[in-house]
Amino acid sequence: DIVLTQSPLSLPVIPGEPASISCRSSQSLRHTNGYTYLDWYVQKPGQSPQLLIYLVSNRASGVPDRFSGGGSGTDFTLKISRVEADDVGVYYCMQPLQSPPFGQGTRLEIK
Amino acid sequence: EIQLRQSGAEVKQPGTAVRLSCSISGYTFTDFYLYWVRQAPGQGLQWVGLIDPENGESFYAQNLRGRVTITADTSTDTSYMELSDLTVEDTALYFCALIAGVRGTWGQGTQVTVSS
Repeated sequence: DIVLTQSPLSLPVIPGEPASISCRSSQSLRHTNGYTYLDWYVQKPGQSPQLLIYLVSNRASGVPDRFSGGGSGTDFTLKISRVEADDVGVYYCMQPLQSPPFGQGTRLEIK
Repeated sequence: EIQLRQSGAEVKQPGTAVRLSCSISGYTFTDFYLYWVRQAPGQGLQWVGLIDPENGESFYAQNLRGRVTITADTSTDTSYMELSDLTVEDTALYFCALIAGVRGTWGQGTQVTVSS
């Protein structure tokens, strides 16, 4: 099994300030085809999880450029350059290579 | 547009079974695994299992093995998740999900409530 470990688990942020979430994998997420299969999702209150970032660093359609993803191999980061009130939710890193497919989640809240 | 449409809420008694459905559109059903995930009230996501619709092979979370069965009907592009011998601890919102890069999409969820 691949284990995804996120930190921190709780992230209080002042609006306008940056935020960063780490996701570490117990195994490399780089496939033999050269792609690295790590996605980021956010679950806003009362909603299903929605895609933010795919293949490490590609923003999904409609996602503001305040959100960026990076990393390689086993270490990945989601960054929000300036947090807004609407960013409140639980952020998950996910991978489709082995199950279970996601980390514990990081709860972002506004200070 | 990819969509995953799930069946409606269920209320079940302990010891019974529940069968949920997830109907997909907007992509080729057999191209990607389909995941099932649940979320107990106020809790995080818990992986339930997945199915490869191309060959019907399924994999399950260890703590649910023996009680959960996931199937796929390629004639209707629909996946089913059956959970048996329900207890109150199975009360949760159940999601089906496509975790596949740019196509990543989740269903709206089905609330399952187990109560006597």
